[in-house]
Amino acid sequence: NAGVTQTPKFQVLKTGQSMTLQCAQDMNHEYMSWYRQDPGMGLRLIHYSVGAGITDQGEVPNGYNVSRSTTEDFPLRLLSAAPSQTSVYFCASSYSIDLNTEAFFGQGTRLTVV
Amino acid sequence: DAKTTQPPSMDCAEGRAANLPCNHSTISGNEYVYWYRQIHSQGPQYIIHGLKNNETNEMASLIITEDRKSSTLILPHATLRDTAVYYCIVRASNTGNQFYFGTGTSLTVIP
Repeated sequence: NAGVTQTPKFQVLKTGQSMTLQCAQDMNHEYMSWYRQDPGMGLRLIHYSVGAGITDQGEVPNGYNVSRSTTEDFPLRLLSAAPSQTSVYFCASSYSIDLNTEAFFGQGTRLTVV
Repeated sequence: DAKTTQPPSMDCAEGRAANLPCNHSTISGNEYVYWYRQIHSQGPQYIIHGLKNNETNEMASLIITEDRKSSTLILPHATLRDTAVYYCIVRASNTGNQFYFGTGTSLTVIP
């Protein structure tokens, strides 16, 4: 049981390039989400999904796309990277979106856009 | 939505109990209090959560006041590995049941 796995751990992009951050969980969790964390700040919600085929926007969705074709995977796409997207990205999953359910986080992807 | 207020930083001597306070004076009846911690820049780690009653697990205890307007996370015997940023989060239905992280409390355990 690996939990929440994020790849890659580190990435450097040039402005305008695209890439996909991968997130996979092996706990059969319905709920998955993506956060970004900037220096000295807490985590901010980008997008989330309550099940396969269902996605929705969080606080800071602009510049990011997501899809959820399987229960296990929830990739985050940057279509045209900008320096403002330099951040650490965390993926999380939980059994459901119910209030009484804890979420588990991956170890993060550190992205630098130059 | 119920916001939380935490002190920005605290110190604790190794081996002593660390008591981390959180104020959530606008919490509603069905909203849960969660605690997470983040060591260096690792992913946040779940610690404990509760609704009304005090809770205890192998990591910590959560004490919630009777009026639910504040809570305290207790690490009974702090070690150097407990040095981290601790986040108190109120999870609410009027914010889509999401986890909203503030800036937390930076706990330093001193040898």
